[in-house]
Amino acid sequence: AQSVTQLDSQVPVFEEAPVELRCNYSSSVSVYLFWYVQYPNQGLQLLLKYLSGSTLVKGINGFEAEFNKSQTSFHLRKPSVHISDTAEYFCAVSDPILTGGGNKLTFGTGTQLKVEL
Amino acid sequence: EPEVTQTPSHQVTQMGQEVILRCVPISNHLYFYWYRQILGQKVEFLVSFYNNEISEKSEIFDDQFSVERPDGSNFTLKIRSTKLEDSAMYFCASRAGPVHYNSPLHFGNGTRLTVT
Repeated sequence: AQSVTQLDSQVPVFEEAPVELRCNYSSSVSVYLFWYVQYPNQGLQLLLKYLSGSTLVKGINGFEAEFNKSQTSFHLRKPSVHISDTAEYFCAVSDPILTGGGNKLTFGTGTQLKVEL
Repeated sequence: EPEVTQTPSHQVTQMGQEVILRCVPISNHLYFYWYRQILGQKVEFLVSFYNNEISEKSEIFDDQFSVERPDGSNFTLKIRSTKLEDSAMYFCASRAGPVHYNSPLHFGNGTRLTVT
């Protein structure tokens, strides 16, 4: 079974400061990894994903994440945050082997990023 | 850009009542999902649907839940007899193909279900 751990439930940060949101996963097989963002009263929007290839993945809105297999981590980073980045961020994992379920996602508990002036 | 649309955005129902949550996935998508998020908790997988049948379901998806794609465009989630603990945000999602085809999962904005 797969699981995702997001240790930080809230991360406050000042505008223009860098931020890192941590994500660790456990799985007995290789995985696909994702970061989703949820703005208030909205659905989940894909920020970036790792399927294979380069371990440094760049996504939308200036975010990037690095897949580290030895540490089973997929931390999300942004060098300079903006007020508009205030949202809930979810890390998720999926099994790359196609199952009848069409690769369901297993989510972490989320990290609330609050950007302050 | 095509979107997954869900209606209603908020539904209030009494315990024991049946409720149907509606979703219109993106038109050329083949895989359909329901997830839910209880307030303050993580997003949880409920069920996936492909080729007109359930392909996987979680432990949450018991006999009180059912899904249907009645007309080739809508994808519904029915809860037969709602319980207080069914109160949550329910997200519909769809994708064109399997994830290893680099096919992203698109989520709707959710239906907030409140059971009183």
